[in-house]
Amino acid sequence: AQSVTQPDIHITVSEGASLELRCNYSYGATPYLFWYVQSPGQGLQLLLKYFSGDTLVQGIKGFEAEFKRSQSSFNLRKPSVHWSDAAEYFCAVGPRAGSYQLTFGKGTKLSVIP
Amino acid sequence: SQTIHQWPATLVQPVGSPLSLECTVEGTSNPNLYWYRQAAGRGLQLLFYSVGIGQISSEVPQNLSASRPQDRQFILSSKKLLLSDSGFYLCAWRPQPGQGLSNYGYTFGSGTRLTVV
Repeated sequence: AQSVTQPDIHITVSEGASLELRCNYSYGATPYLFWYVQSPGQGLQLLLKYFSGDTLVQGIKGFEAEFKRSQSSFNLRKPSVHWSDAAEYFCAVGPRAGSYQLTFGKGTKLSVIP
Repeated sequence: SQTIHQWPATLVQPVGSPLSLECTVEGTSNPNLYWYRQAAGRGLQLLFYSVGIGQISSEVPQNLSASRPQDRQFILSSKKLLLSDSGFYLCAWRPQPGQGLSNYGYTFGSGTRLTVV
């Protein structure tokens, strides 16, 4: 069965520091990959997605993610974190055919120290 | 453009009372619709999804039910709330498969915070 693992439940970084949030997946074939962000008390917003091609994808709010097939990973990065980036981040995967139903990781909560 | 609306934003209900949460989507037709619940520290739990009017799939047997009386309306209900029903409920939609990769991915509503007391 497919699964998504976000090994870090909570990460704290200082404002201006770089950020990397990890995501690993277990899937029968290479899935489509997504990152969502959820601000406190809000719904989820799509940050970026990977379907094919260049394995480094750019998203909104200065985020990027790199797909590494050999490691079954899709890590999210940002070179310099802003206090407004404090939120919960969810990695998700979906099949390349069929229902296109997404499977979500359990999320990583990001705290930013001023 | 498409928009998704969820209401109410916040709800406090006593144990044993009924529940009705509503979600509507505008600007599209025949969407796939989803209800998720977030309990503290437990991530997103898929409760129900629907691929069409009257078609409901339940992912987790529990005290809740869902209905889709109209193409763009998705309702989450309970006849008698339990304390364990407290949480943050999210509705989401996506286009039907086959409408292009640019549409692949869910769009979420702003959520309903339900507290059962």
